[in-house]
Amino acid sequence: GQQLNQSPQSMFIQEGEDVSMNCTSSSIFNTWLWYKQDPGEGPVLLIALYKAGELTSNGRLTAQFGITRKDSFLNISASIPSDVGIYFCAGTSGNTGKLIFGQGTTLQVKP
Amino acid sequence: NAGVTQTPKFQVLKTGQSMTLQCAQDMNHEYMSWYRQDPGMGLRLIHYSVGAGITDQGEVPNGYNVSRSTTEDFPLRLLSAAPSQTSVYFCASSYNSGLAGGSHTDTQYFGPGTRLTVL
Repeated sequence: GQQLNQSPQSMFIQEGEDVSMNCTSSSIFNTWLWYKQDPGEGPVLLIALYKAGELTSNGRLTAQFGITRKDSFLNISASIPSDVGIYFCAGTSGNTGKLIFGQGTTLQVKP
Repeated sequence: NAGVTQTPKFQVLKTGQSMTLQCAQDMNHEYMSWYRQDPGMGLRLIHYSVGAGITDQGEVPNGYNVSRSTTEDFPLRLLSAAPSQTSVYFCASSYNSGLAGGSHTDTQYFGPGTRLTVL
């Protein structure tokens, strides 16, 4: 079936540093979504991307929909302790309409 | 709007017991889905529904049943619980599925989850 490869699997950074994570797929996606999950909670939508090449920001977060429609990245600038959590990429394709998730990137921020 | 709600928040079952996980949304979303989350595996789709009266299987449907009698509710049933079903279960909804092409209407919103342990 369709798969998303998300990297890195985990990151341990110093407060104030910038963070970058990405997702790649072997097939084309119509939508790319980035979610954050805090411990004991459900995933919360951070950024949604709907067009190839689209670059969207949400505060300190920036995400892009790859021009090939097979990849996306998420950047977090000037990280703070509350950025800690698991970040998931997800996408929907025209073949199934189903949402496919990456394995997640666990982010830890050292004050 | 309450968004997507799930009950119970925690549940412990014995092997062979049955139970129903409840999910409801008040956003008039047509598309609803159930996922399970296991360590290191992200979220995997169990079953989904594109509207009342219509359900279909996802990636890992075995051992689970669903029904969609109303737009608002999408319960997940475990007929005979097994230890392999120990997981965190999330319900999600969106206005429609992603088949129509990328748009804000297929963005899925998640409930808070049900943590299930099967002994």
